[in-house]
Amino acid sequence: AQSVTQPDIHITVSEGASLELRCNYSYGATPYLFWYVQSPGQGLQLLLKYFSGDTLVQGIKGFEAEFKRSQSSFNLRKPSVHWSDAAEYFCAVGEYGNQFYFGTGTSLTVIP
Amino acid sequence: GAGVSQSPSNKVTEKGKDVELRCDPISGHTALYWYRQSLGQGLEFLIYFQGNSAPDKSGLPSDRFSAERTGGSVSTLTIQRTQQEDSAVYLCASSWAGGGGDTQYFGPGTRLTVL
Repeated sequence: AQSVTQPDIHITVSEGASLELRCNYSYGATPYLFWYVQSPGQGLQLLLKYFSGDTLVQGIKGFEAEFKRSQSSFNLRKPSVHWSDAAEYFCAVGEYGNQFYFGTGTSLTVIP
Repeated sequence: GAGVSQSPSNKVTEKGKDVELRCDPISGHTALYWYRQSLGQGLEFLIYFQGNSAPDKSGLPSDRFSAERTGGSVSTLTIQRTQQEDSAVYLCASSWAGGGGDTQYFGPGTRLTVL
C-alpha cells in the first residue's frame, strides 16, 4: 500500500537558519507529490507540488522541494526561516484515481 | 469566489448523540473530500465525491459514518451515536476535477469533541 513518512515529528530552528523537512513515500509509479502547511487555526495551504519534469520545484513563501526518485524522497527546504513559518507541515502523495495519502506531519518551531 | 467553508467550526456533543458537519466547496469544484485529523496524527482519508456520487468510501471508519452531497455542491458528513474516539478535526477539501494530481483546497475544519 502507498504510504508517506515524515520521520521528524518536531523540528526547532532559529530564525534565519536554513530548514529541511524530510518526506519519504512508497509508491509504485511516479507519484504526484505535495507539501501543505497548516498554521494554527487555519486550513491546509498548498506550498508546492510535483507532477513531472524538473525535479526541483519552487513554491510559495520561498519554499522549494526536490524530488529524488532513487531515494523516494521529496524533501522541503527553505534557505532562511522566518518566525511566521512556524506551523505544521504535511507531505502528501496523490495517485492515479483519487486517493491521497498524507504523512503525519512535522511541527516547526522557530526560535527568535 | 470564496474558499472552502465548513460549519460549525466547533462542535461539542455528548457520547451517543448524532452530529452533522457541513462543507461548502469552492464554486465549480466537482470533487470533494473529507478527512479526519486526530491529535498527533496525519490526515486520514474518509470519503471522496465526484459530483454527487461517492466512488470511494473506503476510508469511512465504521457504519456510523455517512456522507452525502447534493446538487454537486454542499456535502454533509453525519456521525451517528458518536463515541469519544470520534473526537478530531474534520477537514473538507475540494478540487476542480479530482484525480491524484489535482490540487485540493482545504477548509478550516470542524473541531468535534465528544464528551
